[in-house]
Amino acid sequence: EVQLVESGGGLVQPGGSLRLSCAASGFTFSSYWMSWVRQAPGKGLEWVANIKQDGSEKYYVDSVKGRFTISRDNAKNSLYLQMNSLRAEDTAVYYCARQGVTIFGVIIITYLDYWGQGTLLTVSS
Amino acid sequence: SSDLTQDPAVSVALGQTVRITCQGDNIRFYYANWYQQKPGQAPILVIYAKDNRPSGIPDRFSGSTSGNTASLTITGAQAEDEADYYCNSRDSSGNHLVFGTGTKVTVL
Repeated sequence: EVQLVESGGGLVQPGGSLRLSCAASGFTFSSYWMSWVRQAPGKGLEWVANIKQDGSEKYYVDSVKGRFTISRDNAKNSLYLQMNSLRAEDTAVYYCARQGVTIFGVIIITYLDYWGQGTLLTVSS
Repeated sequence: SSDLTQDPAVSVALGQTVRITCQGDNIRFYYANWYQQKPGQAPILVIYAKDNRPSGIPDRFSGSTSGNTASLTITGAQAEDEADYYCNSRDSSGNHLVFGTGTKVTVL
């Protein structure tokens, strides 16, 4: 059974830092791209970042570029999100998610097929 | 634009059919996926790669695409289908994922 369990959320002051973790099990972690997605209270889903299987490619939404760093440790089946210079608008539930892929000819379709239960980050003084 | 636009809310009578749409320029290139989210829960994937259902998703959920618009149809809506639904695809760079604005489905 695929399981993704996030941890590390909490209350942080503006300008502070925090690292989120996601422990994966039930699948070959090193074979999948992984993503972080967040959801501010009462708002919609926002993709934050993703990382290739070997960590060689990473992409970020513009609003976190330069402040957040996604990483992974395939030996530990773990995904991380280092968050620096936190702002009030970063307050959200953060989900880690596995990226599945389907190929239609030359088109690569990516989807998030398994999600963790999320961890809450609150940025407030 | 990389935006994916959805109607904020729709309602459907129990047992009837409802269609939710998602409009965005990149859907014609990257197709769309659909997620269901109930209050206090993580999203779950209900349709991927335009019209595929993951294992365990009832066949009353179906997907389709026409041009830059993707649709999720619930045929014979059940009370447990009341939830928020989000579409997702890729942006014009192909490297970033984007989500739609979300549609709240109410089953009457």
